[in-house]
Amino acid sequence: QVQLQESGPGLVKPSETLSLTCTVSGDSISSYYWTWIRQPPGKGLEYVGHIYYRGSATYNPSLKSRVTISVDTSKNQISLKLKSVTAADTAVYYCGTLGVAASGIKHWGQGTLVTVSS
Amino acid sequence: EIVLTQSPATLSLSPGERATLSCRASQSVSNSLAWYQQKPGQAPRLLIYDASNRATGIPVRFSGSGSGTDFTLTISSLEPEDFAVYYCQQRSNWPPGLTFGGGTKVVIK
Repeated sequence: QVQLQESGPGLVKPSETLSLTCTVSGDSISSYYWTWIRQPPGKGLEYVGHIYYRGSATYNPSLKSRVTISVDTSKNQISLKLKSVTAADTAVYYCGTLGVAASGIKHWGQGTLVTVSS
Repeated sequence: EIVLTQSPATLSLSPGERATLSCRASQSVSNSLAWYQQKPGQAPRLLIYDASNRATGIPVRFSGSGSGTDFTLTISSLEPEDFAVYYCQQRSNWPPGLTFGGGTKVVIK
């Protein structure tokens, strides 16, 4: 059973870069597409982007100019970088698995809250 | 961008009642639609994928139907643990990516 664990700073200053890592255990990183989803406090879910281990990433158009998702197969990790953050980027950030063709996100990390504040 | 609209925003029902949740897409997503349950402080849990397939370990009281632009999640008889927020989500090849609906909160009447 694949397990996902997000990690990174819980507090980021405005205009700086948010950096998170998702560590994968229990399965090969080549088995899935990997996605980042975020959820502002008290609000709904928002797609950030997704990536296949040997392909290019796809991003939410509203975030595309600021976001980078990458895979490190040697460390079994997926990373997320979001630059020039504002308070609107405060959210719980989740990593998850997407099947190659199926529509749903089967496995989710527990999520990590990132607050943007000076 | 494909927009998903969920209705109602809030559904007030009693345990044992049937819950019917709707998700409408702004354009056809074929059957590429999933449903999730989320409880406070927890990550979402996949219930249904590809419109009508139950995910592993999901009770049979949860069922999904629809294709194209109109989809339904039905909970045949609400259990106390089913009171939560439910989201639909589509996956498209063009434009590529995912989008989520705004959610339906199922509350105890």
